[in-house]
This record gives sequence, structure tokens and C-alpha cells, in this order.
Amino acid sequence: SQKIEQNSEALNIQEGKTATLTCNYTNYSPAYLQWYRQDPGRGPVFLLLIRENEKEKRKERLKVTFDTTLKQSLFHITASQPADSATYLCALRSSASKIIFGSGTRLSIRP
Amino acid sequence: KAGVTQTPRYLIKTRGQQVTLSCSPISGHRSVSWYQQTPGQGLQFLFEYFSETQRNKGNFPGRFSGRQFSNSRSEMNVSTLELGDSALYLCASSLGGAETQYFGPGTRLLVL
Repeated sequence: SQKIEQNSEALNIQEGKTATLTCNYTNYSPAYLQWYRQDPGRGPVFLLLIRENEKEKRKERLKVTFDTTLKQSLFHITASQPADSATYLCALRSSASKIIFGSGTRLSIRP
Repeated sequence: KAGVTQTPRYLIKTRGQQVTLSCSPISGHRSVSWYQQTPGQGLQFLFEYFSETQRNKGNFPGRFSGRQFSNSRSEMNVSTLELGDSALYLCASSLGGAETQYFGPGTRLLVL
């Protein structure tokens, strides 16, 4: 069955360091992969999208990589700040437009 | 532009009752998707509507249904509520099944 896993349930890092979150999937052929941020009590907010034929995408302090051979995406936040503390979700969408979300990684940035 | 709005924000029901949740998408967006979020199962896709037609459906029982109106507003209905239906219900709108989805704040449903 299709499965998407975000390896760490929680990640704690120090301010200023780079946070790296992982998203792995099996039995799925995604057309693209997305990363969302979710704060407590709020809906997810779209951050970045990367297509199956792209290796890397950047937006300000954010970087996403996508390796369809390894079936893995890495999400990086450089120069992390306490305001980056949130839950980060990855989501895969296939060409059939079915979308599945990972369970999320709760990121905490300590000052 | 106003964001996605959902009503009500909080709801308490008892087992066996039914509930209707409402979602107003961003102006101009024709696609509305519904999700259920629970601590144990995470964010799970319920269904997607586009131009009043259900375009995709997740793996939920028939007690979960939805519809979309000509102004793109959408409603979701859950009949014969069960304790396990307690969750945060999120809707998201997009231009037309476009990649970027914009989520509403959610409706938190508690079934007693």
C-alpha cells in the first residue's frame, strides 16, 4: 500500500543551525511533492512544491530536495529561528490527483 | 483577498447525531478539498470537489459525504456520528486542482 513517512516525530535544534526534515515514500509515483507548515490550532500553510523532474527548489531560507530514486525528499531551514518552530508536513500528489500527507515533524528551535 | 473560511469553528455532538460543516473558498477558486486530521492518523484526504462535481474520494465510509454549490462553497456532512469521528476537519481551496492549496482554520468536532 502507499505509504509516506516523516522520519522524526519531533526535532529540537539550536537557533542559527540548519534544520533538516526527511520525507520518505513507498509504492507511490508522485507527480510532485509539497511541504506545508502547521501551527497549533491552525490549518497548514503551503511552503514549497517540487516536481518529479526537479532536484532542488529554494525559497529564502528554505530548500527542498527530491530524489525519486531514493523516494525521499529533504526539507532544510537554514539559519533557523524560534519563529520557525511548528509542525512541518510533506504531501505527495500523483498524476491521478490523489494526495497523501505525512504525519508531520514537530520542529522546535531553542534560543 | 479573504482566505478560506470554515464554520462553525467548534462543535460538540453526541453519538448517532449528524453534522454539517461549511467551507467558503477563496474568491475565484473552484476546487475544494476536505481533510480529517487526528493525532493518530494525521491528515487524511476525504474528497475533492470541482465545479460542483466530486473529482476524488478518499477511503472513508459512506457516512461522510459532501457537496459543492455553484458559488464554489462546499458543505461536508457526517451522519450517524461515532466517537472516532472526533477530529479537526479542514477544507482547502485551489484554483482548479492547481498544486497550491490554501487551508482554512478548520472545524474542531468533538463527539461525546
